Amino acid sequence: GAGVSQTPSNKVTEKGKYVELRCDPISGHTALYWYRQSLGQGPEFLIYFQGTGAADDSGLPNDRFFAVRPEGSVSTLKIQRTERGDSAVYLCASSLGPGGGETQYFGPGTRLLVL
Amino acid sequence: AQTVTQSQPEMSVQEAETVTLSCTYDTSENNYYLFWYKQPPSRQMILVIRQEAYKQQNATENRFSVNFQKAAKSFSLKISDSQLGDTAMYFCAFRAAWGGIQGAQKLVFGQGTRLTINP
Repeated sequence: GAGVSQTPSNKVTEKGKYVELRCDPISGHTALYWYRQSLGQGPEFLIYFQGTGAADDSGLPNDRFFAVRPEGSVSTLKIQRTERGDSAVYLCASSLGPGGGETQYFGPGTRLLVL
Repeated sequence: AQTVTQSQPEMSVQEAETVTLSCTYDTSENNYYLFWYKQPPSRQMILVIRQEAYKQQNATENRFSVNFQKAAKSFSLKISDSQLGDTAMYFCAFRAAWGGIQGAQKLVFGQGTRLTINP
């Protein structure tokens, strides 16, 4: 079946602009996660959704970052007033449920470059 | 808070050789899961193998196996008969089994090891 998809694949924007990154999870997966991967580093957790609600947003770096999942499927990560330090690959993952043993399946990521 | 450490930034071996990637972690949890993910240049993170901490038997998946030492908090990955397609970044990751609504579900990753298989 279809895996996790993310759009756009690449995004170039100017400092101060607003961007939206989209994630389509695997159908039927109730849990959705966003991670950020800086160059040469491992992914770092941003936010976790169970259904429509953000169960854990402790990884969001500041209030310029916001994410929604209004219907419990597609999620959008929104970044306001982008800064050069926001440049990274943004990865989305989904899992069947929230249990610790559930495998998280990752999308190909969106590479964001802020000029 | 949990931390995961991969002390080998880069490794390189010849095709068909066996290679072992190291990973150590720090946690006060007793129940948790450990994972190895592979990330090729396409950026897609692919699960290679997983280990439940409550299981003493080391997990194996075809050419991939782990050496899980719970007391030492060590979780190494062994790749046997390495192939050119194994060339990728490899990440070790930790996940608590359950810790309430917040915090348990996220994966905590190490810094990664860049593995190159040479022909």
